[in-house]
Amino acid sequence: NAGVTQTPKFQVLKTGQSMTLQCAQDMNHEYMSWYRQDPGMGLRLIHYSVGAGITDQGEVPNGYNVSRSTTEDFPLRLLSAAPSQTSVYFCASRQGQVVREQFFGPGTRLTVL
Amino acid sequence: DQQVKQNSPSLSVQEGRISILNCDYTNSMFDYFLWYKKYPAEGPTFLISISSIKDKNEDGRFTVFLNKSAKHLSLHIVPSQPGDSAVYFCAAVNDYKLSFGAGTTVTVRA
Repeated sequence: NAGVTQTPKFQVLKTGQSMTLQCAQDMNHEYMSWYRQDPGMGLRLIHYSVGAGITDQGEVPNGYNVSRSTTEDFPLRLLSAAPSQTSVYFCASRQGQVVREQFFGPGTRLTVL
Repeated sequence: DQQVKQNSPSLSVQEGRISILNCDYTNSMFDYFLWYKKYPAEGPTFLISISSIKDKNEDGRFTVFLNKSAKHLSLHIVPSQPGDSAVYFCAAVNDYKLSFGAGTTVTVRA
């Protein structure tokens, strides 16, 4: 099992550009989520999905879109990047409501100039 | 407003000694608490957890203590080893969603 994979590892964008952060898991997990980690802030939930076709907003959803067309993939889209979106982004997955069994990907470090 | 706080951004400890990491929370609805460990360029990995109905959970060198009346939990690592050098995040669960603290960077000195 590859677990949770994220691409790219690093990305630099200019203000206003759009891009998609990819996340995939091969554990057949229902629940997937996106977090951002900022210095002094811990990880904050952006969006999450409880299954294919179902998504919902987390704590800091503004500026981000998600969709879940398959169980495996959960991409995060930045429609118009802003410097405030400079952060490290983590994707996570788990089977249902067992939070202790949540697995995180290695992260994507995004810089918006 | 952060509901989970780790007020010590860093901790330095000598190999073989005890590391004590602290975490405070404000939301009394949290019913489960976890500690995650994170190495550079990797995602957080689950370390140990505790339910709100317990006050202690032990797993090898790691013990988590929960004081509900004080809304405080702590992680003890005994003895500390060089491989324990990492960032440790405290997290709390309400309605199956996690709220994280800002993390404490632990450095274990030889």
